[in-house]
Amino acid sequence: AQSVTQPDIHITVSEGASLELRCNYSYGATPYLFWYVQSPGQGLQLLLKYFSGDTLVQGIKGFEAEFKRSQSSFNLRKPSVHWSDAAEYFCAVGNTDKLIFGTGTRLQVFP
Amino acid sequence: DVKVTQSSRYLVKRTGEKVFLECVQDMDHENMFWYRQDPGLGLRLIYFSYDVKMKEKGDIPEGYSVSREKKERFSLILESASTNQTSMYLCASGQGDSPLHFGNGTRLTVT
Repeated sequence: AQSVTQPDIHITVSEGASLELRCNYSYGATPYLFWYVQSPGQGLQLLLKYFSGDTLVQGIKGFEAEFKRSQSSFNLRKPSVHWSDAAEYFCAVGNTDKLIFGTGTRLQVFP
Repeated sequence: DVKVTQSSRYLVKRTGEKVFLECVQDMDHENMFWYRQDPGLGLRLIYFSYDVKMKEKGDIPEGYSVSREKKERFSLILESASTNQTSMYLCASGQGDSPLHFGNGTRLTVT
């Protein structure tokens, strides 16, 4: 079955600290992988995507993610978190015609 | 920039009412989607459409229907609203290798 797992429901970090949000997936074929961010009361904004090629992808707002086929993972990272990064983050897998989303990770940032 | 517009940010309806949620996209995308977002459950696909007048059931279609009479407009219909349909509803559009673009969501409360 196709699925996406985000094992961390809620993460709290201090501003300036590094961040890693975990995402594991189960998918029959080589998937397209995405990270979206949702600020309170807003829709989802695309942070980055992986279709093929270099397994380390750069996104907006200083985020990056690494595709590891052997671990079925696509973890999101940022070296130094800003207070404005507080939001909910969703990992998604599939193709551009249909996506399966994880349950999300809520990020809280302390000053 | 792609714009996906959902006609209402907040709606309050009574049990048993027929409810229409409207979504319009301005990029001539062929594919349109309705998701439901609930805490701890992430985004779940209700219905999607790859073309005018066509529709496909997603993972949780029960209690919902959709209409796509024009390419740019995709409507979600709750035939008889129930309290368990209180949720955030997100519309998205996409095509080809273009990632999904989301509207800002409609928060529906059924009392």
